This record gives sequence, structure tokens and C-alpha cells, in this order.
Amino acid sequence: NAGVTQTPKFQVLKTGQSMTLQCAQDMNHNSMYWYRQDPGMGLRLIYYSASEGTTDKGEVPNGYNVSRLNKREFSLRLESAAPSQTSVYFCASSPLGDRAYEQYFGPGTRLTVT
Amino acid sequence: KQEVTQIPAALSVPEGENLVLNCSFTDSAIYNLQWFRQDPGKGLTSLLLIQSSQREQTSGRLNASLDKSSGRSTLYIAASQPGDSATYLCAVNEMDSSYKLIFGSGTRLLVRP
Repeated sequence: NAGVTQTPKFQVLKTGQSMTLQCAQDMNHNSMYWYRQDPGMGLRLIYYSASEGTTDKGEVPNGYNVSRLNKREFSLRLESAAPSQTSVYFCASSPLGDRAYEQYFGPGTRLTVT
Repeated sequence: KQEVTQIPAALSVPEGENLVLNCSFTDSAIYNLQWFRQDPGKGLTSLLLIQSSQREQTSGRLNASLDKSSGRSTLYIAASQPGDSATYLCAVNEMDSSYKLIFGSGTRLLVRP
């Protein structure tokens, strides 16, 4: 039981390049989330997917797109990376509904945009 | 807008000391509050969850308290060990949405042998 896995662990991009961060969970959770964590700040929600086939914006969605590929997988895409997107990105999953606060986190992807 | 603040940002203590980490939030209309542990290169792990109707929760050497009226929570760690070194984050779950967690910026704890 791997929990929540993320790939890659590290990535360096040049401004304007694109990339996709991958996330998968094996806990049969319905809901999945993407957060970013910047130095000296708490985690901020980028996008979430309450269930397969649905996605919604969080607090900081600009510059990102997401795809809920199936129940297990939720990807985050940067179409044209900017230095302001340098951050650590965390994926999380949770049960649906009243227990959605029980979130399980992946190990993170450290992204640097130069 | 809910804001969560954690003080201090960093703390260094000798092994064996008891310590308190603080978390404050601006809007008392919360569903629950969680304390997470974050280790370098790893994700967050939930340590304790306090429902809004509860005053405290305990797990081993950890005790978390919640005072909703004053917008404060504390995490008490007894007899600290070097293995406790990590970043501790608190997060509040707002009443209008079960999925929405608002995180503090964390306290980075170092327990010196």
C-alpha cells in the first residue's frame, strides 16, 4: 500500500517551458487535491477534484490546469512556467463528503523555474 | 478571510525538554483543527485532530488543546527527543466546506541530543 505517490521528486524548468506533475493514490479515495508550499507560508490549495470527472479551482489556480484521469490519478500541468511557480507541490487524497478533511499527502515535488 | 498563524517560526531545544507550539486563527467558525508533522522530503502526516466540540486530544507524548473562543490551539510535546525534529503545521477546517484546510506556516523544531 503505497498511499499517495508523486512524480517527479525534483524538476528544474526554464521560463516558458511546460510540464505535468503526476499523482496517484491507492486508497480508493474519491477526492484529490493539489497544493503548493512556498518558503515561510502554509500550504495553499491550487485545484481539487471532489470525485472522478469533476475539478474545481482552489485559492491559487492561475497558471495551472488539472486533469482527473481516473479515480486513482490526478495531474497538474504548467503550460508556461514562470519563476513565481517555483515551489514545492503536494498532492493529497481524501474520502468524499464529511470526511474530506482527512487528507493524506504525497512526498512532494520540488520545482525550480529559472 | 481565515488566517492561521504559528509562533515561533523556529525552535531549538535540548533533548528531554517539554515544549509548546502555538497556533492561532482569526475566525472561530471552524469544524476542526489538525496538527501535522512534516519531515524533509516527505509529505505531511496528521498527528492529532480536534473536533470543534472538543477541548483536547492526546496521542502518546503529544497533547493538543483547542480554545475556539480565543482562536488558539497549542501542541504540547513532553520529554522531547531528537526524532521529534520536524516542521509542525496546524490547519483549520472551515465550517462551510469539509475539504478546505487553511494551513499555518509551521514551526520548525530542532531537538538537540
